Order: sequence, then structure tokens, then C-alpha cells
Amino acid sequence: DAKTTQPNSMESNEEEPVHLPCNHSTISGTDYIHWYRQLPSQGPEYVIHGLTSNVNNRMASLAIAEDRKSSTLILHRATLRDAAVYYCILRPSGTSYGKLTFGQGTILTVHP
Amino acid sequence: ETGVTQTPRHLVMGMTNKKSLKCEQHLGHNAMYWYKQSAKKPLELMFVYNFKEQTENNSVPSRFSPECPNSSHLFLHLHTLQPEDSALYLCASSQDEARNYGYTFGSGTRLTVV
Repeated sequence: DAKTTQPNSMESNEEEPVHLPCNHSTISGTDYIHWYRQLPSQGPEYVIHGLTSNVNNRMASLAIAEDRKSSTLILHRATLRDAAVYYCILRPSGTSYGKLTFGQGTILTVHP
Repeated sequence: ETGVTQTPRHLVMGMTNKKSLKCEQHLGHNAMYWYKQSAKKPLELMFVYNFKEQTENNSVPSRFSPECPNSSHLFLHLHTLQPEDSALYLCASSQDEARNYGYTFGSGTRLTVV
């Protein structure tokens, strides 16, 4: 499976935008890019996913590089509740979709 | 509340005990998963069930025994565990294993083996 590389940790101030990067230089043409986050004492929760085009939903935006070798999860206005571990995951597709394989993720700290 | 309920939330068991973890979802999902999250390690996929059939066993020791009686319920039976099995056990579900739907996770069972 193609791997992703994320910074171990990032910090942000409340109400400021946060850009969480993810490198996936060995991504294949049929891999979807998924983002999940895990708040303290909870299981992971789905944030967003995309293939080639940028995606927006109520939680965040996903910006995908033109060559698809990197992507950025954008939280437009961080709140204290956004403090979590953020996982960037490549999900293979084809005749069926691969399982979600989690890496270490990025620990996001949000300061008041 | 995510729609995936795991019980108990916390469990302490001795190495000779037998216990079971329960996972329940009423989201209409047909695929269910067990993950293990140990301290300082990424989540590890253990088992996958799709339409009640086991489709993946990720080389999990036989002291962990899953059971999926229907698409809404998933159990993890535990016996003769080791202290290194102490971890957060997470259950997840999705519409269908083979399709590109997101996973919904429960809050997990924190297991301590003494």
C-alpha cells in the first residue's frame, strides 16, 4: 500500500485557519485520499475524502495537488474542539476498496 | 454518540479470565471491523466482517476470537490474554466493505490485562 507522511505535531491559535499537510509521493491513480481525526478518549471520526478535485464539507476542505503527490486538510477557523490527532490515509480502489490503514497522524494543538 | 456503541467502556481482566467485548450499530451498515490501538502505536486492523462473513483476519492470535451473529452486532471474545494485549479496542462499521464509504467508529473499550 502507498504510504503517507505527516508532521508529528502542529500548533494553532483558536479562530485561525489550520493547514495540515500530507505527502503521498507513491500514490497510485486509483487511491482515494481520506482524512480522519481522533479526539481524546474517542474513536476516529471521518472528516473528508477526495480523489483529484478539491473537496469541501461542513467540517473542512481538502486541497489536492495537481500531481496528487500531496494534499492539505484545511480547517478554516480552528476551535478548541478541533484539538485531535489527524490521519491522512490512502484508500486503494479497484474491483473493491481497500481497508483503512492508519499511520501515526499529526497531533494538532489549538491554543486559546 | 456516533451510532456505534461499544461495551464495556473499560475492562480489567486477569490472564486466565475469559471476557467478551460487544459492538452494536443500528446504522444499517453491513461491514464491521475490529481495530487495536496500543499506546504510541497506530491503529491496527484485526478483523473484518462483511454481511456477517469474516473477510479478513490480520494474523491475529487465536486468543482473540471474533463473532458476528448479524450485521448489527460484533463481538470479540478474549481468553488467556497477555499484559501486552492491554490496549484500546475499537469497533467500526461501514455501509459495505467493498465500497468507498466512510467508517463510523465507536468510542472503544479500554482493556487492561493484569
